[in-house]
Amino acid sequence: EEQLVQSGAEVKKPGESLKISCKGSGYSFIDYWIGWVRQVPGKGLEWMGIIYPGDSDTKYSPSFQGQVTISADKSVSTAYLQWTSLKASDTAIYYCARHRLGLGIDFWGQGTLVTVSS
Amino acid sequence: DIQMTQSPSSVSASVGDRITITCRASQDINNWLAWYQQKPGTAPKVLIFAASNLQSGVPSRFSGSGSGTEFTLTIRSLQPEDFATYYCQQTNSLPYTFGQGTKLEIK
Repeated sequence: EEQLVQSGAEVKKPGESLKISCKGSGYSFIDYWIGWVRQVPGKGLEWMGIIYPGDSDTKYSPSFQGQVTISADKSVSTAYLQWTSLKASDTAIYYCARHRLGLGIDFWGQGTLVTVSS
Repeated sequence: DIQMTQSPSSVSASVGDRITITCRASQDINNWLAWYQQKPGTAPKVLIFAASNLQSGVPSRFSGSGSGTEFTLTIRSLQPEDFATYYCQQTNSLPYTFGQGTKLEIK
């Protein structure tokens, strides 16, 4: 079964760093783009960026460029989303999702809730 | 960035009804549009890709149409499990922007 399994919920303080993960299985991880989508509780979906694990080519939404870092380790079939200094406004559910360029997302991880509060 | 605008923002309907949700793009996106369904507490699920192609496993009561800047998602004969929030997403050019969502509620 093709799936993406994300790391568990996190509670952090403003200014702390964080790296969450998304592990792919059941398919060739290096052959598909993996992206990240943010959803503030009760709000809509925001597309953050994508990475191609085969060569680590990465593309960001201008809204998130410089705010987060997307990376991947193809040896463990895992993509990552990282912050160096969290803000309260980063509180959200973060989904990873497998992308087919031009066709969109064909399946999603279960989501990781990140809560940033002092 | 391409802006995506959905209408209505919310709609009430009954089991058995037919509803249509519209999604408009701020520029021509050909047929590069996807539709997703999201139920509370769960990840979104793809329904339609490339404007009118039904994802495998999605019931045939869902259909998509349109090209250029205007698109529609139609659900005929609503079932109880269809009450959810629906999002469109343009997949023509990066960043792949979403519409703001349409909440489908039971009347």
